[in-house]
Amino acid sequence: AQSVTQLGSHVSVSEGALVLLRCNYSSSVPPYLFWYVQYPNQGLQLLLKYTSAATLVKGINGFEAEFKKSETSFHLTKPSAHMSDAAEYFCAVTLGGGADGLTFGKGTHLIIQP
Amino acid sequence: GAGVSQSPSNKVTEKGKDVELRCDPISGHTALYWYRQRLGQGLEFLIYFQGNSAPDKSGLPSDRFSAERTGESVSTLTIQRTQQEDSAVYLCASSRWDGYEQYFGPGTRLTVT
Repeated sequence: AQSVTQLGSHVSVSEGALVLLRCNYSSSVPPYLFWYVQYPNQGLQLLLKYTSAATLVKGINGFEAEFKKSETSFHLTKPSAHMSDAAEYFCAVTLGGGADGLTFGKGTHLIIQP
Repeated sequence: GAGVSQSPSNKVTEKGKDVELRCDPISGHTALYWYRQRLGQGLEFLIYFQGNSAPDKSGLPSDRFSAERTGESVSTLTIQRTQQEDSAVYLCASSRWDGYEQYFGPGTRLTVT
């Protein structure tokens, strides 16, 4: 079975600073990895996904993530934080979609300080 | 185009009552998923449909939970004899057949009093 660990339930950065949200996974086989963002009282929006192509994945809103097999990590970064980035971020993993569903981490609440 | 829609957006019910939650997937998406999000926790995968077939129902929390889907369209999640621990946001997602890119609805917030 696969699992996801997100380090830090809350992360606070200043506007304009680097955003780094950490995600480590556990999987017996190469997984497919995703980052989702959830704004208050809304559903989840897909930020980016890794499906065994390029290890550096670019997503929407200036976010990117790098798949590092040796570290079993898929950390999310953004060079310069914007106030509108304040939200809950979830890392998720699946082995093959379909009946596996997605296994989610517990989420990281990103706070942007003015 | 229209995204995934869910109804109702909010539901308050008394303990012991039955509730039915509805999900309308994106047109053409053959796969449909239900998840539960409890306060302060991540999302918990409940069940998956490919077409109107659900090959594995073991993720449903108890036998009070059931789900069905009509063709490749609407799905309903039914909770019988609701308990306070059922209070959560129930999210639905749909995808193409491969399931690699799931699109989520806004959720139904269920409160059991």
